[in-house]
Amino acid sequence: KQEVTQIPAALSVPEGENLVLNCSFTDSAIYNLQWFRQDPGKGLTSLLLIQSSQREQTSGRLNASLDKSSGRSTLYIAASQPGDSATYLCAVTAYSGAGSYQLTFGKGTKLSVIP
Amino acid sequence: ETGVTQTPRHLVMGMTNKKSLKCEQHLGHNAMYWYKQSAKKPLELMFVYNFKEQTENNSVPSRFSPECPNSSHLFLHLHTLQPEDSALYLCASSQAQGAYNSPLHFGNGTRLTVT
Repeated sequence: KQEVTQIPAALSVPEGENLVLNCSFTDSAIYNLQWFRQDPGKGLTSLLLIQSSQREQTSGRLNASLDKSSGRSTLYIAASQPGDSATYLCAVTAYSGAGSYQLTFGKGTKLSVIP
Repeated sequence: ETGVTQTPRHLVMGMTNKKSLKCEQHLGHNAMYWYKQSAKKPLELMFVYNFKEQTENNSVPSRFSPECPNSSHLFLHLHTLQPEDSALYLCASSQAQGAYNSPLHFGNGTRLTVT
C-alpha cells in the first residue's frame, strides 16, 4: 500500500528566506506527483504536476523535483513571502486496477512565513 | 473563485438528520471525486465517478450515499451520521479518471459537524 510522508509537519521561516519542503513515498511505481496548496478553510489548489518521466517542474518562485527511484520529491520556494503561508500537500498517482488511478496524499507541511 | 463550487460551506446536523452536500463543476471535466479531510489525517478518497458511472467506492459506510446525475453535478447524501464523521468534505474534478496526468481541481469544501 502506497504511503506518502511529508517532513516537517510544520515550518516557520522569516520573510525572504528560501526553503525546501520534503515528500517521500514508499512505492516508486507512480505516474505523477502533484504539489498542492491549501489555505485555512479552503480547498486545495494544484501548484505543480510532475510526470514520472520528468525530473522537475517550475512555476514562478516554485520548483518541484522528483527522484522516482528513491521515492522522493522536494518543493523549493524562493524568496518566501507572507502570502506563501499555507499548508502544502503532495500526492502521488498510481494505478489501482481496472483502469483506475488513485491519488495518495501526505498529511501536509504547514508553512508560516513571518514578516 | 474555483471552477468547482460546493454548497453548503458549513453544515451542522444531528445524528438522526438527513442532509445532502452538492458539488458543481464548470470545467467540462468528466471525472468527479469526493474526499474526506479529517484533522491530522491525510485526505481520504471516498468515491469516484467517471462519465457519470461510479468507479470507486473506497469502503465507505452506507450512511454516505453518492449521486452523480450528470458530469457536472455530484451529490453526497448523508443519513444517521456519527460524530466521527465530522470533517471537511472536498469535491474535486479532473478531465477523466484515466487521464492520470490531468491535475485535480478542488472546491472549497463543506465543513460538516455532527452533533
